[in-house]
Amino acid sequence: ETGVTQTPRHLVMGMTNKKSLKCEQHLGHNAMYWYKQSAKKPLELMFVYSLEERVENNSVPSRFSPECPNSSHLFLHLHTLQPEDSALYLCASSQELENTEAFFGQGTRLTVV
Amino acid sequence: AQKITQTQPGMFVQEKEAVTLDCTYDTSDPSYGLFWYKQPSSGEMIFLIYQGSYDQQNATEGRYSLNFQKARKSANLVISASQLGDSAMYFCAMSSRGYSTLTFGKGTMLLVSP
Repeated sequence: ETGVTQTPRHLVMGMTNKKSLKCEQHLGHNAMYWYKQSAKKPLELMFVYSLEERVENNSVPSRFSPECPNSSHLFLHLHTLQPEDSALYLCASSQELENTEAFFGQGTRLTVV
Repeated sequence: AQKITQTQPGMFVQEKEAVTLDCTYDTSDPSYGLFWYKQPSSGEMIFLIYQGSYDQQNATEGRYSLNFQKARKSANLVISASQLGDSAMYFCAMSSRGYSTLTFGKGTMLLVSP
């Protein structure tokens, strides 16, 4: 069992759909992150949670809505997405918010049609 | 603002040879961390090695070593004795402000041939 698990691995959705990405970490970490990886662009930080509180929101459109119900789970709720939102969405966790390595899940490959 | 630059879109190396992947960074923060991650085709980002800005010695982890030159703001990854399984995308990343949030470079695709 990997430390950080993301589901689903692949998702195709229409622009009017509502879907959610799920991330679960089994490492006892206190911080969790959502990153977006688009083709030919560096990974972009989207959201940061520390002890279930959101601490950073990098100007992400409101059609992306994160939720952290507890320190082990992180969701990314999606609605009325655009085709340019197609990307690999990576979840990560770290022991603390301060300088410790982050461990990533395998990502959800999202295609918006 | 932090910035990571990886100037090599792709690198080729033969099995068992050493390879250096370049990374330069820019930050005004006195305290920061430098990371290297490997991303195989499966998509998962695998942590390889970490160097703190105040660490006196270069970090090493098995076949991976980080050539940290603070004055030049470079943090190159050296992979010794390349293996076929090393073929992947490699990302250099930086954290600062004491946070574990990462700024990534664009990555370098490494291909290891028999």
